[in-house]
Amino acid sequence: EAQVTQNPRYLITVTGKKLTVTCSQNMNHEYMSWYRQDPGLGLRQIYYSMNVEVTDKGDVPEGYKVSRKEKRNFPLILESPSPNQTSLYFCASSQLRTVSSYNEQFFGPGTRLTVL
Amino acid sequence: DAKTTQPPSMDCAEGRAANLPCNHSTISGNEYVYWYRQIHSQGPQYIIHGLKNNETNEMASLIITEDRKSSTLILPHATLRDTAVYYCIAEMDSSYKLIFGSGTRLLVRP
Repeated sequence: EAQVTQNPRYLITVTGKKLTVTCSQNMNHEYMSWYRQDPGLGLRQIYYSMNVEVTDKGDVPEGYKVSRKEKRNFPLILESPSPNQTSLYFCASSQLRTVSSYNEQFFGPGTRLTVL
Repeated sequence: DAKTTQPPSMDCAEGRAANLPCNHSTISGNEYVYWYRQIHSQGPQYIIHGLKNNETNEMASLIITEDRKSSTLILPHATLRDTAVYYCIAEMDSSYKLIFGSGTRLLVRP
């Protein structure tokens, strides 16, 4: 089954304790992205990657890192989490667009993070 | 990317058609209209997209006005499982970033 998986689904942690949220897709997609969703602010893009070893900042990258060493994986790293990073996080992937394709992005189930 | 405007909420009866409007008056010629929905904090799900012509798939129909300044997503026979937030997004064909607005919260009543 084609899917995007995220782990963990729920995490409660404390300020300053490094954490990683994993994202994996089995569709051989080149493009992957991270969003965070907050009440009243909608979904905002954190980082994205067009392919292996190619990453770039989205709209709200501060406090986050990403890596893309393999095509299927795109982990989100919080080196020193703070309470303002409490949010619902989504990973998404899509194939690169060709003449006949379109931008259908597949989203993971979400990771609800609470930083105390 | 063009800004889109949607009503904050709508409701319809189960089994009836749900018509969700979207205004995108500043849309440019190469911007597609995409619709996604999000069911209760799950990951957003693609529904349909279009550029100029009306489109239909197994989930919904998309009607785009001739001047492309607005569109309507039609769920022909809404079910309770269609209760969700629906997002209308205008996206350039060269971009991958989806800019989600606040969407329309659709409540399907039994």
